[in-house]
Amino acid sequence: QKEVEQDPGPLSVPEGAIVSLNCTYSNSAFQYFMWYRQYSRKGPELLMYTYSSGNKEDGRFTAQVDKSSKYISLFIRDSQPSDSATYLCAMSENYGQNFVFGPGTRLSVLP
Amino acid sequence: DADVTQTPRNRITKTGKRIMLECSQTKGHDRMYWYRQDPGLGLRLIYYSFDVKDINKGEISDGYSVSRQAQAKFSLSLESAIPNQTALYFCATSDRGSTDTQYFGPGTRLTVL
Repeated sequence: QKEVEQDPGPLSVPEGAIVSLNCTYSNSAFQYFMWYRQYSRKGPELLMYTYSSGNKEDGRFTAQVDKSSKYISLFIRDSQPSDSATYLCAMSENYGQNFVFGPGTRLSVLP
Repeated sequence: DADVTQTPRNRITKTGKRIMLECSQTKGHDRMYWYRQDPGLGLRLIYYSFDVKDINKGEISDGYSVSRQAQAKFSLSLESAIPNQTALYFCATSDRGSTDTQYFGPGTRLTVL
């Protein structure tokens, strides 16, 4: 079993839809959770960062962490074609060290 | 200008050749990382360096070596390339005070024939 699992997609949605991207993990020691967005032929860029359980909102993006279920989610509201990218979750036990990445979910938002 | 640059952007080489991938950053960050990305496997950490005199192995360091020539430069070497090292390689940096945020370079696509 991989340490971090993520549905690879591809996921296609119409413009304006609410998108839910999810990761599950096996290591209960993970405390720091991140979502990265990666456009084609580019490096990943950090979208959201959360510590421990709870929700965090930033504009159209909401990150949720449920440590009891070892499950994290990224919600995108009012999705736009510019949101079309691969979304990677990442997590670590210690602050700033040894990030473990999920394989990524490819999202296409159709106009 | 990009904050994190990688050279070359694309490289095709043959089995057994020595290859060096270079990373430079202008962000002034202490910490630098090398990852490889494979389809279905995500990003995996090869090596990381928290300052010029500090080098640490990551999850998949076998077959690779690194050199931190200066705070701004971190190079990755494949001493004798093999086909299963064909992948997309990313360099990343982070700041000592905010290491949750990593800034990635544009990547180097390496093909080993």
